Amino acid sequence: GAVVSQHPSWVICKSGTSVKIECRSLDFQATTMFWYRQFPKKSLMLMATSNEGSKATYEQGVEKDKFLINHASLTLSTLTVTSAHPEDSSFYICSAYHRLQPQHFGDGTRLSIL
Amino acid sequence: ELKVEQNPLFLSMQEGKNYTIYCNYSTTSDRLYWYRQDPGKSLESLFVLLSNGAVKQEGRLMASLDTKARLSTLHITAAVHDLSATYFCAVDKASGTYKYIFGTGTRLKVLA
Repeated sequence: GAVVSQHPSWVICKSGTSVKIECRSLDFQATTMFWYRQFPKKSLMLMATSNEGSKATYEQGVEKDKFLINHASLTLSTLTVTSAHPEDSSFYICSAYHRLQPQHFGDGTRLSIL
Repeated sequence: ELKVEQNPLFLSMQEGKNYTIYCNYSTTSDRLYWYRQDPGKSLESLFVLLSNGAVKQEGRLMASLDTKARLSTLHITAAVHDLSATYFCAVDKASGTYKYIFGTGTRLKVLA
């Protein structure tokens, strides 16, 4: 069964709205979660590292004010795309890390901004 | 610049044939991961290679790691249509960080 649950799986919204994506680890407490972005037929690009109880660490070139990350508990991290625009349309994938195990990935969220 | 490169980027092969996908990386990571992604889906973990010389096999897929050469291979034996997918390798951004850098991906199409 799924180890990491991501919700929603697909969202379409108008330009200018904010969209929240949830990532939950179901079987373990994840002190660290990662957020990735994937363009069609491209590889995964790490956006940020989310640590429970502390501020997220963003990769170079990722706007922290555009992509708000909150890791409120050991099983939940959220990514909010603020004031989304068509160029933010992408496939967003989260993963959860538990020590000495490979990252477990969520099913991804397809975001389409009209 | 940290790089993880896969070759080939795209591979079309007949059922029953063998082929190898290569993953070269520039980090000092001694761990390497292989994932499979089906269209529109997330990633499925295939192999975790934890040390130099590690070899793992599952069904028609076999992965190996040479940390000195910074090279991993994913060998496909007697391919079947169900293996059609995109395969990614990933390494730790830096030793012990558990932050991944993904390879460019290899899109595999197995023709019946």
